[in-house]
Amino acid sequence: QVQLQESGPGLVKPSGTLSLTCAVSGGSVSSTTWWSWVRQPPGKGLEWIGEVYHSGTTNYSPSLMSRVTISVDTSKNQFSLNLNSVTAADTAVYYCARNGPAASVDCWGQGTLVTVSS
Amino acid sequence: EIVLTQSPGTLSSSPGERATLSCRASQSVTNNYLAWYQQKPGQAPKLLIYGASTRATGIPDRFSGSGSGTDFTLTISRLEPEDFAVYYCQQYVISPPIYTFGQGTKLEIK
Repeated sequence: QVQLQESGPGLVKPSGTLSLTCAVSGGSVSSTTWWSWVRQPPGKGLEWIGEVYHSGTTNYSPSLMSRVTISVDTSKNQFSLNLNSVTAADTAVYYCARNGPAASVDCWGQGTLVTVSS
Repeated sequence: EIVLTQSPGTLSSSPGERATLSCRASQSVTNNYLAWYQQKPGQAPKLLIYGASTRATGIPDRFSGSGSGTDFTLTISRLEPEDFAVYYCQQYVISPPIYTFGQGTKLEIK
């Protein structure tokens, strides 16, 4: 059973870069599926950030495309998120996830809260 | 960009009752790429339904999804205490690839 675990700093300064990694266990990041990042501001709904395939191909949300980079490291069985020029509006719980059947998201990490503050 | 609107925003029901949650899309959803999730406080979302009507692995049969085009419904036939949570619908557009979530429906105990 695939398990996902996010890691990274819980506090980022405004204008800085948010960097998170998702470790994949119980499965391979090289499997035939896409891997996504989703975020949720405190008390609000879910927002898809983007996705990556093991080949390195990516797709991003149009609203974040100018600031986001998602990459994959097959040798470490993990994938990563970088979001630059962050503001307080980027404060959220960030989830890594596996894309599932019929364009769903069928496996989620536990989430990690990232706060943007000086 | 397709916008998903969920209604009601909050639904108050009692255990044993039937609950019906709605998700309306601003444009037709391709290939019925419509999923439903349950989220409890402090937890990650959990996939309930994909392809508009297929239950995910391990999901009880009291959960059912229906609909096509722009109107979709999640029905919980007999509410159990553990079903009180927030529910999100989500759709996928193929080109360019974009996932979009609804704003959520909170199902609370009456």
